[in-house]
Amino acid sequence: GEEVAQTPKHLVRGEGQKAKLYCAPIKGHSYVFWYQQVLKNEFKFLISFQNENVFDETGMPKERFSAKCLPNSPCSLEIQATKLEDSAVYFCASSQTNYNEQFFGPGTRLTVL
Amino acid sequence: AQRVTQPEKLLSVFKGAPVELKCNYSYSGSPELFWYVQYSRQRLQLLLRHISRESIKGFTADLNKGETSFHLKKPFAQEEDSAMYYCALNNAGNMLTFGGGTRLMVKP
Repeated sequence: GEEVAQTPKHLVRGEGQKAKLYCAPIKGHSYVFWYQQVLKNEFKFLISFQNENVFDETGMPKERFSAKCLPNSPCSLEIQATKLEDSAVYFCASSQTNYNEQFFGPGTRLTVL
Repeated sequence: AQRVTQPEKLLSVFKGAPVELKCNYSYSGSPELFWYVQYSRQRLQLLLRHISRESIKGFTADLNKGETSFHLKKPFAQEEDSAMYYCALNNAGNMLTFGGGTRLMVKP
């Protein structure tokens, strides 16, 4: 596609439930990035992929968060056992190279009750 | 560690007035800086990047390494410029580090 697509738009989970978010990067883009934005504050980098390989995961919480980018599938970000503080908008971005402009998706708003 | 600071959360100006959105950064390497904009109900999009040194929608930004700043300027604001503006730094060819954003409101 010509735009980064993210699904779902909104996701509501009870504390302790699992949440899974999806991102389809722009066709031909090799890099995918995930960012978390809490309460319209700063974007926090979580993880990046070069194709299906993890490129940088320095921002990923060690527990509960995992992500994948498999061939011919949307990338995914999964949160096991969600906590209230996981409530945020999660943005996915893709780029041709790691130095090019990053194109952002519309975000998935996760609300943990 | 790299850091991007946008000191103003909100900037309100009248149409036709000059605009300057401030951005300061700290980074030990050679920075690559960007301004992203998010209009109401639209996704975040790139406005300009310092290496291209171009003017987009009348906006310009100059990298000042001495002052570690990358302020965004426009001589005459338009109502359609009202949006959230984010300054961002590319960390050695990987992730973006964003500032907290400035909401620009251009009043008629």
